[in-house]
Amino acid sequence: DAGVIQSPRHEVTEMGQEVTLRCKPISGHNSLFWYRQTMMRGLELLIYFNNNVPIDDSGMPEDRFSAKMPNASFSTLKIQPSEPRDSAVYFCASSPVGGSKEKLFFGSGTQLSVL
Amino acid sequence: DAKTTQPTSMDCAEGRAANLPCNHSTISGNEYVYWYRQIHSQGPQYIIHGLKNNETNEMASLIITEDRKSSTLILPHATLRDTAVYYCIAPPGNTPLVFGKGTRLSVIA
Repeated sequence: DAGVIQSPRHEVTEMGQEVTLRCKPISGHNSLFWYRQTMMRGLELLIYFNNNVPIDDSGMPEDRFSAKMPNASFSTLKIQPSEPRDSAVYFCASSPVGGSKEKLFFGSGTQLSVL
Repeated sequence: DAKTTQPTSMDCAEGRAANLPCNHSTISGNEYVYWYRQIHSQGPQYIIHGLKNNETNEMASLIITEDRKSSTLILPHATLRDTAVYYCIAPPGNTPLVFGKGTRLSVIA
């Protein structure tokens, strides 16, 4: 298995632009998580899905952030409009449904820089 | 989540055992302790987990005190590639993993 695949690896954009981050979870995994990591705040959970349904989005910082999971093999995290303080590494992770926390696998992350 | 407390940073000589402590004094009876690590520029990676008994796998050993209020992750022969941030987490049953600051382990040649 190729693992969790995220794209792009790096994104540089200007303030005010729309940014879309993409994630393909491991096949057969029914839970998908979006995390954000910065030096100041560490690794934060933004939102997670079970069976394509958003379960908890309380970590999403503002209405500028939205996430979708249209099917079991694809999810997006969108920021519109982007701001410099959104600069961070965004990680996607997947696991089997059922609380198998030892089976949480992370992608390589997307390094986002908003200028 | 049971709150966990870890030292901010630790050093270890290459080839020696690295012992990383974690306090989780508010842990409840059915909460597991999980350890993950994050090597620079990568996503976190699962290491080991346990409930009451000590656990060992190919990566590490986990020693949990009898009262379950603390645990120690042991890397028996640390290498330079073990330099990473190590996270100790004790989440309630069906909640996702929430990562704290962890311990930054530096393995020194």
